[in-house]
Amino acid sequence: RKEVEQDPGPFNVPEGATVAFNCTYSNSASQSFFWYRQDCRKEPKLLMSVYSSGNEDGRFTAQLNRASQYISLLIRDSKLSDSATYLCVVNGVAGGTSYGKLTFGQGTILTVHP
Amino acid sequence: DTGVSQDPRHKITKRGQNVTFRCDPISEHNRLYWYRQTLGQGPEFLTYFQNEAQLEKSRLLSDRFSAERPKGSFSTLEIQRTEQGDSAMYLCASSLGHGLAGTGNTIYFGEGSWLTVV
Repeated sequence: RKEVEQDPGPFNVPEGATVAFNCTYSNSASQSFFWYRQDCRKEPKLLMSVYSSGNEDGRFTAQLNRASQYISLLIRDSKLSDSATYLCVVNGVAGGTSYGKLTFGQGTILTVHP
Repeated sequence: DTGVSQDPRHKITKRGQNVTFRCDPISEHNRLYWYRQTLGQGPEFLTYFQNEAQLEKSRLLSDRFSAERPKGSFSTLEIQRTEQGDSAMYLCASSLGHGLAGTGNTIYFGEGSWLTVV
């Protein structure tokens, strides 16, 4: 089983739509969680961190369910510029063995069309 | 530009040749990471440095791969006797901090070095 699993999509949605991405992780001891965005042939960039209480940044809402080992990202009122690959990311396990490691899902491709 | 810088951006090499990539992290960032990304996949962790010390290496980093960060500033990733399976984008990233990667310290990626082995 992969450490971080995402539905690869692709998701094709019209402008203004609401779209949700899901992600599961296998290591229950994982400490921190993130969503990164990656444009075609570009580097990944941090979109937002994910907290247990849920957090929102403008049109983006991230949620974490530790019991289910499940992370989600909701994008409201999609824009053409939201078209990208969205990567679910989990960081290392406390204890010193994986402090440097971010584990990425394979990414979910989103295309927003006019 | 004060971001993470990688060189070369693109490299085409023949199978069996050696290649070296260089990464210049953001100034004063004590952590430096190397990742590899193939088409349709997310980045995969290779190794990371805290200052000049290489603290973790992935099993993906075979004997043909070696990374250094001699003075705790720039880093090099060398691949010896390249194979076609080494074709990928090699991403360098840096951050400032001592805790879990990404916690309380944003990890910034460079634009990547694309390797094609023919």
